[in-house]
Amino acid sequence: RKEVEQDPGPFNVPEGATVAFNCTYSNSASQSFFWYRQDCRKEPKLLMSVYSSGNEDGRFTAQLNRASQYISLLIRDSKLSDSATYLCVVALNAGNNRKLIWGLGTSLAVNP
Amino acid sequence: GAVVSQHPSRVICKSGTSVKIECRSLDFQATTMFWYRQFPKQSLMLMATSNEGSKATYEQGVEKDKFLINHASLTLSTLTVASAHPEDSSFYICSASQGARDTQYFGPGTRLTVL
Repeated sequence: RKEVEQDPGPFNVPEGATVAFNCTYSNSASQSFFWYRQDCRKEPKLLMSVYSSGNEDGRFTAQLNRASQYISLLIRDSKLSDSATYLCVVALNAGNNRKLIWGLGTSLAVNP
Repeated sequence: GAVVSQHPSRVICKSGTSVKIECRSLDFQATTMFWYRQFPKQSLMLMATSNEGSKATYEQGVEKDKFLINHASLTLSTLTVASAHPEDSSFYICSASQGARDTQYFGPGTRLTVL
């Protein structure tokens, strides 16, 4: 079983649609959770951290369910510029360091 | 904000060549730097973690004699791919953090193609 699992998609949605991505992780000792965005042939960029209380940043809402080891990302009113791969990431403390474990990513294409 | 640069951005080389990639933190001191590799349609995989002035810690399956990491200062880490082969062709990304458990800031990546 992969440490972080995501549906790779692709998700093809029209502009203005609402789209939801899900992610599960296997290690219950995971400490921190994130969604990153990666554009084609570029480095990943932090989209938002994820908390059990849920957090919202504009059109983006992220939620963590520790009991189910499940993370979600909701994008409302999709824009063409939202087209990218969305990476679910969990952080584990490894010795003195913090190690990031990456999902494969979910590909989103927003169409005009 | 914290900026991390990588150089070169792209390398095309012949098999057997050694390739050196630099990762620099431009506006902060990075006590810890991380090196990742991403093959096409794959997730980022951590190769090694380096703390300034110490030997790097390599992930399982990553050959330390093949991927030489030097983190000699608080703003620079280098990854040298020794005698690169076509299977080493990949996207190499570094990240840097001020503390071992702090936020990681990513470099723009280096695309290596070994012919």
